[in-house]
Amino acid sequence: ETGVTQTPRHLVMGMTNKKSLKCEQHLGHNAMYWYKQSAKKPLELMFVYNFKEQTENNSVPSRFSPECPNSSHLFLHLHTLQPEDSALYLCASSPRDSGANVLTFGAGSRLTVL
Amino acid sequence: AQTVTQSQPEMSVQEAETVTLSCTYDTSENNYYLFWYKQPPSRQMILVIRQEAYKQQNATENRFSVNFQKAAKSFSLKISDSQLGDTAMYFCAFMKDTGTASKLTFGTGTRLQVTL
Repeated sequence: ETGVTQTPRHLVMGMTNKKSLKCEQHLGHNAMYWYKQSAKKPLELMFVYNFKEQTENNSVPSRFSPECPNSSHLFLHLHTLQPEDSALYLCASSPRDSGANVLTFGAGSRLTVL
Repeated sequence: AQTVTQSQPEMSVQEAETVTLSCTYDTSENNYYLFWYKQPPSRQMILVIRQEAYKQQNATENRFSVNFQKAAKSFSLKISDSQLGDTAMYFCAFMKDTGTASKLTFGTGTRLQVTL
């Protein structure tokens, strides 16, 4: 098993659909992150969870709803998305959300909103 | 706020040659960390090299080395003996050493193509 696993790899959804992205890490890390990667733009940090508690919400619209039931799993629930939300969504984890920890990334979920 | 600038959207290098990717950053912090991450077509972001700002010695990892110029706020990546597997997007990233967050600020990336 790779360190950080994201499913699905690809997702196409309409603006009225509800879907979820899943992230799972097998590294024993305590911090998990969602990043959004759009073409020609820097990666944008969306959310940070530390020991299951949300410690950062980077002004993300409410149509994105994260959930972290335990330190190994992170979800991103999607509903009423817009076409501009189409992007690669990357999950990452680190030993903890403090200090200069190296982040381990998953391979991302490519989201297309029609 | 920190910013990271990668001024080379695309670069090409022949196999076995050396290439240098540029990165500059802007910060008022004195203690921080800098990273180069590689994102191959498989999309998984992989750490290439890391540099602590308080260390004067440039970090090296096998064929990868950096030229860290703190006063100039410059952090370039040199890839020696380039291999086809080095073809990827390369992202420069900055992290504050606040002790409270591991948030990375990324540049826009440089797409490197290694050719035969």
